[in-house]
Amino acid sequence: AQSVTQPDIHITVSEGASLELRCNYSYGATPYLFWYVQSPGQGLQLLLKYFSGDTLVQGIKGFEAEFKRSQSSFNLRKPSVHWSDAAEYFCAVGAGTSGSRLTFGEGTQLTVNP
Amino acid sequence: NAGVTQTPKFQVLKTGQSMTLQCAQDMNHNSMYWYRQDPGMGLRLIYYSASEGTTDKGEVPNGYNVSRLNKREFSLRLESAAPSQTSVYFCASSRQGIAEQFFGPGTRLTVL
Repeated sequence: AQSVTQPDIHITVSEGASLELRCNYSYGATPYLFWYVQSPGQGLQLLLKYFSGDTLVQGIKGFEAEFKRSQSSFNLRKPSVHWSDAAEYFCAVGAGTSGSRLTFGEGTQLTVNP
Repeated sequence: NAGVTQTPKFQVLKTGQSMTLQCAQDMNHNSMYWYRQDPGMGLRLIYYSASEGTTDKGEVPNGYNVSRLNKREFSLRLESAAPSQTSVYFCASSRQGIAEQFFGPGTRLTVL
């Protein structure tokens, strides 16, 4: 069975600083990878996804992520964080023949200091 | 185009009471899902419906039942609520196959 680990429960950065959120997955074949963001009291919104092809994927709100098969990682990055990026971020892996069953990581809470 | 809608937004139950959480989507998606979100545990899949007429258990199905009423609607029922079912419940939908899921705003449920 697939699994996802987000090693950082909480990260604090200053506005304008760069950001990297870590995600490691476990799955025997090529995974389908997603990053979602959740603002307080809201549902989840898709930031970006990786299915195949170019290992560097661009998403909304200036985010990007790089798939590294050798490290089983799919880290999320942003060059300059805005205060509005404060939220919880979830990495997820989709796999198997049962379609879009996703396994989520525990989430990383991002705080942005002014 | 409302996307995925959920009712109610908030609910307080006493132990042993029953209730049904409603979910509807207007994106003509084949697949629908129910998750629960608890602090520090991410989202865990309760049940899903890959297509109209089918339902399958997810990671944490105990204490829940589901009904795929039609292509648009997917309900989650708690027959006898327990305090351990206090959580935020999210419904999601997607095209069939590996695809991104679209989430509703959630239902915050407290069981006393």
